[in-house]
Amino acid sequence: GAGVSQSPSNKVTEKGKDVELRCDPISGHTALYWYRQSLGQGLEFLIYFQGNSAPDKSGLPSDRFSAERTGGSVSTLTIQRTQQEDSAVYLCASSLDPTVVWADATGELFFGEGSRLTVL
Amino acid sequence: GEDVEQSLFLSVREGDSSVINCTYTDSSSTYLYWYKQEPGAGLQLLTYIFSNMDMKQDQRLTVLLNKKDKHLSLRIADTQTGDSAIYFCAESKGGFKTIFGAGTRLFVKA
Repeated sequence: GAGVSQSPSNKVTEKGKDVELRCDPISGHTALYWYRQSLGQGLEFLIYFQGNSAPDKSGLPSDRFSAERTGGSVSTLTIQRTQQEDSAVYLCASSLDPTVVWADATGELFFGEGSRLTVL
Repeated sequence: GEDVEQSLFLSVREGDSSVINCTYTDSSSTYLYWYKQEPGAGLQLLTYIFSNMDMKQDQRLTVLLNKKDKHLSLRIADTQTGDSAIYFCAESKGGFKTIFGAGTRLFVKA
């Protein structure tokens, strides 16, 4: 499809296990974002990749969280030793290069449908 | 620092106008956005405004920006049941990460 694709759509895991969440951005989008959506917490920024620049990891809540983006395309968010408070919907978004300004640029983010993680 | 705040709930009757408010702290924001999230779906851009504008109208949607007070609002005229969703206010400086508010859940009563 032409949109942002995330997998798995649902993941149930036991406390202490590691999980990997995958995001396949829109072809040609150089920027990729991970957000976490928890009940009552809104949309929390986690990490931002733009081209070959060092990622902005300022939103990662702990060192159990990491993300990589291979070949400037697919990204994987890894959560090690999951805790119950990690339960949330993890949303991925992509966009055109936000550092390039052109007349009709909007900076719009295109979101996937999310991966719902439940830690028992 | 960067922070975007909005109220969590709004309930209106079908046919009335809805006004969703948002405040932000970063005065250097370039773009301000409203995204809509329907149940079980990701967010979709509803409308946006550049920081050098005061108002933008798009069919039933009116966005007002008060840059002095760092206040953004979204007005939906003739609200319909299909408008029931979560509405997120967001800001960015262009070239940097987009920061979202917690979202306002709009309930439309028939």
